[in-house]
Amino acid sequence: EIVLTQSPGTLSLSPGERATLSCRASQSVSSNYLAWYQQKPGQAPRLLIYGASSRATGIPDRFSGSGSGTEFTLTLSRLEPEDFAVYHCQQYGTSPWTFGQGTNVEIK
Amino acid sequence: QVQLQESGPGLVKPSETLSLTCTVSGGSVNSGTYYWSWIRQPPGRGLEWIGYIYYNGDIKYNPSLTSRVTMSQDTSKNQLSLKLNSVTAADTAVYYCASGVFVVGLTGWGQGTLVTVSS
Repeated sequence: EIVLTQSPGTLSLSPGERATLSCRASQSVSSNYLAWYQQKPGQAPRLLIYGASSRATGIPDRFSGSGSGTEFTLTLSRLEPEDFAVYHCQQYGTSPWTFGQGTNVEIK
Repeated sequence: QVQLQESGPGLVKPSETLSLTCTVSGGSVNSGTYYWSWIRQPPGRGLEWIGYIYYNGDIKYNPSLTSRVTMSQDTSKNQLSLKLNSVTAADTAVYYCASGVFVVGLTGWGQGTLVTVSS
């Protein structure tokens, strides 16, 4: 199976700062079927980005995804208070679909 | 927008079968618009994909669970079902059902239900 490794494990930033999250795959992600989800405490994940770089419906443009093959990045251009959460990457190009272990973006 | 709601026992004894239902509204489990997936998350840990079912009978399971898991759909009730047998404490998790589009990923999620395996 494809192992996804997210880094860093925790990112401590202040509102207004830029956040850069990484997701590295153990092998190439088919068709760049790589998604990013946001999860707040006690809530289900919410789809942010699909196909590595396409924003899901209703997602603000401060969220952007990039990358291909085995290296992917989620960028939050300017952190808003509601953006502090855990972010998961997922590949859905090869079964079994797999998730990274998550990056916690916390308030500094 | 499709909505999903998981339900089932919150406590299951070791070696028994975990059974959950997901009720779908705002969409039909029998349409080809979405596939239907189950995902779980042990407390304080990451997400694990369990499998998906599609309206045409296509079912895929995570190989790590395939010997113990069964997913099905009840079109008359517009519900999905997950059964996991021979459970252990390692199966303790929040279980989510989700809708998805094959080129997009998991577009809609239920609120999740915590299942604890304990005697």
